[in-house]
Amino acid sequence: NAGVTQTPKFRILKIGQSMTLQCAQDMNHNYMYWYRQDPGMGLKLIYYSVGAGITDKGEVPNGYNVSRSTTEDFPLRLELAAPSQTSVYFCASNDSPSTEAFFGQGTRLTVV
Amino acid sequence: AQSVSQHNHHVILSEAASLELGCNYSYGGTVNLFWYVQYPGQHLQLLLKYFSGDPLVKGIKGFEAEFIKSKFSFNLRKPSVQWSDTAEYFCAVTLTGGGNKLTFGTGTQLKVEL
Repeated sequence: NAGVTQTPKFRILKIGQSMTLQCAQDMNHNYMYWYRQDPGMGLKLIYYSVGAGITDKGEVPNGYNVSRSTTEDFPLRLELAAPSQTSVYFCASNDSPSTEAFFGQGTRLTVV
Repeated sequence: AQSVSQHNHHVILSEAASLELGCNYSYGGTVNLFWYVQYPGQHLQLLLKYFSGDPLVKGIKGFEAEFIKSKFSFNLRKPSVQWSDTAEYFCAVTLTGGGNKLTFGTGTQLKVEL
C-alpha cells in the first residue's frame, strides 16, 4: 500500500537554486495539497488541487509553483530557493472535504 | 477566510491525567472538522473526524471530541493519557462547498511524563 509518496526525503539547496519536490498518490484521489510545516506555526497550505488540470493558491504560495497534469502526480517547484523556504514539506490527498487526508512522509529542505 | 485556533501550544501531563485540547474555528458555514496527530519523526495521521450527526465523535486510541456549533469549537479529550500519547496534535477544518481547503491550526505539543 503506497498511499502518498514524496521524494526526496532530505535536500540541501543553495540560495538561488531550483528544485522540484515530487508527490504521487495511488488512491485515485481528486484532491491534493502541499503544506509547509515550521516549528510553532502548524501547517500552512501552499497550493492545492481539486483535480487534474486545476490548481489554486493557498495561504503561502509565493516562491512556489505547482502543476497537476495527472490525477496521480502533484509536483511542487521552487524556482529561486531562499533561506525562508527552509522547512518540512508535506503532500496530502483525499477524496472529498469530509474524508480523511493521507499524508506523505515529508521532505526536509534546507536552503543555505 | 477560514481559520483555526488552538490555544494550548505546549501541554505537559503526567500519565493517567485527563486531557482536553481546545480548538476553535472562525467560519460560519457547514464545516468538516478533524483532529490529526503527528508522532515524533512521522507524518500526520487521522485521530477522528466530524462531518454530520452525533456531535460527540470517538476516534482511535481512546480519543474523543465534541462539536459545539454555538461555540465554533471542536475540543479533543482523553480521560487518561499514556506516555505513548506524546505527540503534536492538530485541529483542521474544511468547508463543505468551499473548495476543500484543508486548513490547520498551529498545533499543540503534548508531552506525557511517566
